[in-house]
Amino acid sequence: EDKVVQSPLSLVVHEGDTVTLNCSYEVTNFRSLLWYKQEKKAPTFLFMLTSSGIEKKSGRLSSILDKKELFSILNITATQTGDSAIYLCAVVNTGNQFYFGTGTSLTVIP
Amino acid sequence: NAGVTQTPKFQVLKTGQSMTLQCAQDMNHNSMYWYRQDPGMGLRLIYYSASEGTTDKGEVPNGYNVSRLNKREFSLRLESAAPSQTSVYFCASSIMGSNQPQHFGDGTRLSIL
Repeated sequence: EDKVVQSPLSLVVHEGDTVTLNCSYEVTNFRSLLWYKQEKKAPTFLFMLTSSGIEKKSGRLSSILDKKELFSILNITATQTGDSAIYLCAVVNTGNQFYFGTGTSLTVIP
Repeated sequence: NAGVTQTPKFQVLKTGQSMTLQCAQDMNHNSMYWYRQDPGMGLRLIYYSASEGTTDKGEVPNGYNVSRLNKREFSLRLESAAPSQTSVYFCASSIMGSNQPQHFGDGTRLSIL
């Protein structure tokens, strides 16, 4: 059974802290792994990873994929209250089916 | 840019009532999806349509039907609503066969009493 598992389920940190969110997967015919940020409404796209070991970076956020060990991490440095959200990991197979994890709920306290 | 538009945004139904959730995208995407999101369960795929004229069941299709009306529109129907279908429903679209992310609508919050 194809599945995506995220950890931790929730996290509370103080502003300025660095956090690491984890995503492991077992999906046949893997094509890519995606990270989304969900605040009040629709998930918004952050990163797409297709190759192992290549870091994607956007400001204080970065992500990397390990296709051998079947996991990805999302790092957020110098966290801000605006980073508070649910972070979703999804894996796409070659049939264009998306498998989502349950998400990590991040709360950043001022 | 409208992107993916879902209607309605909120709805309250009584058990046994029927309802259709509408979704339209203006990005010329060929694949469209319906998800439900429940606390602690993440996004679960109900149905998807890889291209116009095709639909397939996802992880949780029971109690739902879909129609891919044309390339732009993909509707989700609850024939006889049950309290277990209380959820937030998201429609998404993507380009089939490309390495592009899904784009999501803002969701429909559905409560069934």
